[in-house]
Amino acid sequence: DTGVSQNPRHKITKRGQNVTFRCDPISEHNRLYWYRQTLGQGPEFLTYFQNEAQLEKSRLLSDRFSAERPKGSFSTLEIQRTEQGDSAMYLCASSQGSNYGYTFGSGTRLTVV
Amino acid sequence: AQSVTQPDIHITVSEGASLELRCNYSYGATPYLFWYVQSPGQGLQLLLKYFSGDTLVQGIKGFEAEFKRSQSSFNLRKPSVHWSDAAEYFCAVGAPGNQFYFGTGTSLTVIP
Repeated sequence: DTGVSQNPRHKITKRGQNVTFRCDPISEHNRLYWYRQTLGQGPEFLTYFQNEAQLEKSRLLSDRFSAERPKGSFSTLEIQRTEQGDSAMYLCASSQGSNYGYTFGSGTRLTVV
Repeated sequence: AQSVTQPDIHITVSEGASLELRCNYSYGATPYLFWYVQSPGQGLQLLLKYFSGDTLVQGIKGFEAEFKRSQSSFNLRKPSVHWSDAAEYFCAVGAPGNQFYFGTGTSLTVIP
């Protein structure tokens, strides 16, 4: 078990472009979470999945954001028509149902220029 | 409303000195409390967690935290800080399997 893996580690994109991030959780974990962290702030919740079902979405997740977890394993987070305000670290975490506490990945740092 | 307050944005301590990082929370149900540490450009690592039982919990790297319900606090402590402890520390509150609410973090600098 290599922990939670996120790719890419860094992404620089031009404003208006679409980007997609991938998260591979710990294999036996059925819950997967996406958080966003901006400079000087703590992580803010975006959305989470239990298996393939997306159970909760934050109001931070505008209609330009979409997340999927098609087979209950890895997840993707897509941002369409990126804006400079989307520049942040996007963190993925997973947990095993009633097991408490997340395991976080190392994050994907997005820079929109 | 659920929230976490970390009053100290930045703390500087000398190596070998003791450390206490403050955390106050507001949560509508029984709180599950966590401390995470983050090194620059990295994800978050769980230091310790409190769910129930003994209000003094031990974590990794020699850290401990004490839950005080009457004060809505969950302060992190370490008796003797090492240079490698320099990092950002986040307190979080949440419910099992659900979203966590994080504080804005406390940045720790360790002076040799």
